[in-house]
Amino acid sequence: AQSVTQLDSQVPVFEEAPVELRCNYSSSVSVYLFWYVQYPNQGLQLLLKYLSGSTLVKGINGFEAEFNKSQTSFHLRKPSVHISDTAEYFCAVSEGGSYIPTFGRGTSLIVHP
Amino acid sequence: DTGVSQNPRHKITKRGQNVTFRCDPISEHNRLYWYRQTLGQGPEFLTYFQNEAQLEKSRLLSDRFSAERPKGSFSTLEIQRTEQGDSAMYLCASSLGYGGPISGELFFGEGSRLTVL
Repeated sequence: AQSVTQLDSQVPVFEEAPVELRCNYSSSVSVYLFWYVQYPNQGLQLLLKYLSGSTLVKGINGFEAEFNKSQTSFHLRKPSVHISDTAEYFCAVSEGGSYIPTFGRGTSLIVHP
Repeated sequence: DTGVSQNPRHKITKRGQNVTFRCDPISEHNRLYWYRQTLGQGPEFLTYFQNEAQLEKSRLLSDRFSAERPKGSFSTLEIQRTEQGDSAMYLCASSLGYGGPISGELFFGEGSRLTVL
């Protein structure tokens, strides 16, 4: 069965610093991987997704993620964060053949001025 | 606005009462999902529709919960005899997919927050 672990519940960082949000998944088959962002009082929206092909995936707002099959990870990175990146970030996995994405518990990114 | 719409946005009810939430997905989307989110947790899957057919139900969905999508368009989630443990944000999402497994994104509504006193 698929599962997702987001190792950090909260990541504080200063503006313009780089950030990495960690995500590990558990699955015995091929997977699709997603990162969603939830701004305060808004619905979740897709940042980026990995379906196949290049393991480095670029998304919106300057975010990127790298799929590492051997480490079963899909960490999210941004080289320089802004105050406006303060939000909750969710990693999700969908096993090949599954219609149901499973979400991690989320990481709260807090960007300080 | 052509996004996913959920109503009501907030609902406060007393324990034992019934509540119903409505979700209007993006019009051409054939797949519809309900998730539940509690504080500090990620969305937990409740149920999934493809068109009007309810194809998956989570073990989280007790007998007090029922969901419908009668014409393959909007959906309702009803909770009977609410309990304090039902307090959560109920999220609806939709997507477009034909045949195979999900490969695209889910489009989420802003959620319906339930508080059971």
